[in-house]
Amino acid sequence: GENVEQHPSTLSVQEGDSAVIKCTYSDSASNYFPWYKQELGKRPQLIIDIRSNVGEKKDQRIAVTLNKTAKHFSLHITETQPEDSAVYFCAASTGSNYQLIWGAGTKLIIKP
Amino acid sequence: NAGVTQTPKFQVLKTGQSMTLQCAQDMNHEYMSWYRQDPGMGLRLIHYSVGAGITDQGEVPNGYNVSRSTTEDFPLRLLSAAPSQTSVYFCASRGSSANSYNEQFFGPGTRLTVL
Repeated sequence: GENVEQHPSTLSVQEGDSAVIKCTYSDSASNYFPWYKQELGKRPQLIIDIRSNVGEKKDQRIAVTLNKTAKHFSLHITETQPEDSAVYFCAASTGSNYQLIWGAGTKLIIKP
Repeated sequence: NAGVTQTPKFQVLKTGQSMTLQCAQDMNHEYMSWYRQDPGMGLRLIHYSVGAGITDQGEVPNGYNVSRSTTEDFPLRLLSAAPSQTSVYFCASRGSSANSYNEQFFGPGTRLTVL
């Protein structure tokens, strides 16, 4: 079955710098890759997603890149701000029953 | 739209007690799921449903039952609570379309403590 690995588990960056979180997946049939942000005590919320027919997608300060050959996708946050502090989860579809398989999460800390 | 709602927000149980966590959505989504999230951990799928009358097991189904009698509701039953079931439980829903994906929406969560 599908397996998703997410790195790093914790990332600390200076405010204004960029942050990159990487996920790898195992099932070459996976075709949908969302990223969710979870603030402390809140529910996960979708921030950006990408499908397998696209290599990159941007939305203001966040972007996601997908490398199907290497089976990895990454979240890029530029000009980080204090409100970017949260746990970020990646996920991938299984392709068979449209289940999402989740990474373990990355705690992003923005230092003032 | 209220989106995905869950009740209760907090619950404390004694070992061996049973209870039902309620989940409802008003977006006419076919696909609904239950996850548990332990401190510092990711999301683990308990059970899911692809439509009314259809349910299936996820990664960690033991100790939990579900049913889906309507499109809107997807309750999660704890049969005999154990301390290992102390966790935050999230319900989620998503619309379906053939060979495509739509955003998965999460409820606010239920924080369960089993003593």
